[in-house]
Amino acid sequence: DVKVTQSSRYLVKRTGEKVFLECVQDMDHENMFWYRQDPGLGLRLIYFSYDVKMKEKGDIPEGYSVSREKKERFSLILESASTNQTSMYLCASSPTGVTNEQFFGPGTRLTVL
Amino acid sequence: AQSVTQPDIHITVSEGASLELRCNYSYGATPYLFWYVQSPGQGLQLLLKYFSGDTLVQGIKGFEAEFKRSQSSFNLRKPSVHWSDAAEYFCAVAARYGNKLVFGAGTILRVKS
Repeated sequence: DVKVTQSSRYLVKRTGEKVFLECVQDMDHENMFWYRQDPGLGLRLIYFSYDVKMKEKGDIPEGYSVSREKKERFSLILESASTNQTSMYLCASSPTGVTNEQFFGPGTRLTVL
Repeated sequence: AQSVTQPDIHITVSEGASLELRCNYSYGATPYLFWYVQSPGQGLQLLLKYFSGDTLVQGIKGFEAEFKRSQSSFNLRKPSVHWSDAAEYFCAVAARYGNKLVFGAGTILRVKS
């Protein structure tokens, strides 16, 4: 069974802290994605990666960075967390190819105080 | 650029009644189209997808969707709703050449007994 796991389901951090969100997939997928989900806005793409050490900005990259040192792991980094980054963060992975089907993790609900 | 509109933010239906969730997309060519469902506290699960061929596609849990090119729509239907269908539903579109999905804002389905 395919699986995408995220390191935390719930996280509470303080303004200005550096925050790491980890995502691991066991499907040997080339592509990995980070989204944030906010009520009424759906899912918005923050960053994605199509290969190890490769990354591309999505629609809302400001305030975020990513790291992909291994194929199975994709990390989202908030360099200096702010209250407007309080949100649900979803990781996904997909194989390369025309299907574009993405498989999602359970999400991390981040609260920045 | 692609975009997706889900006109209904909330929908309430009675258990056993039929359901139709609307999705309109904007894309210059024939896109790949998806419906995902998110149950409370969970990640997204793929319900069905359209790539080509028969415009009526069947998915899991008794759902189906119809692609109508003339209306740029991909509406999701179910003939008889169960209480367990209460969730948030997302329509998404992907370009034919690329790995990114663009999601709609979502429709929250409430099922009343």
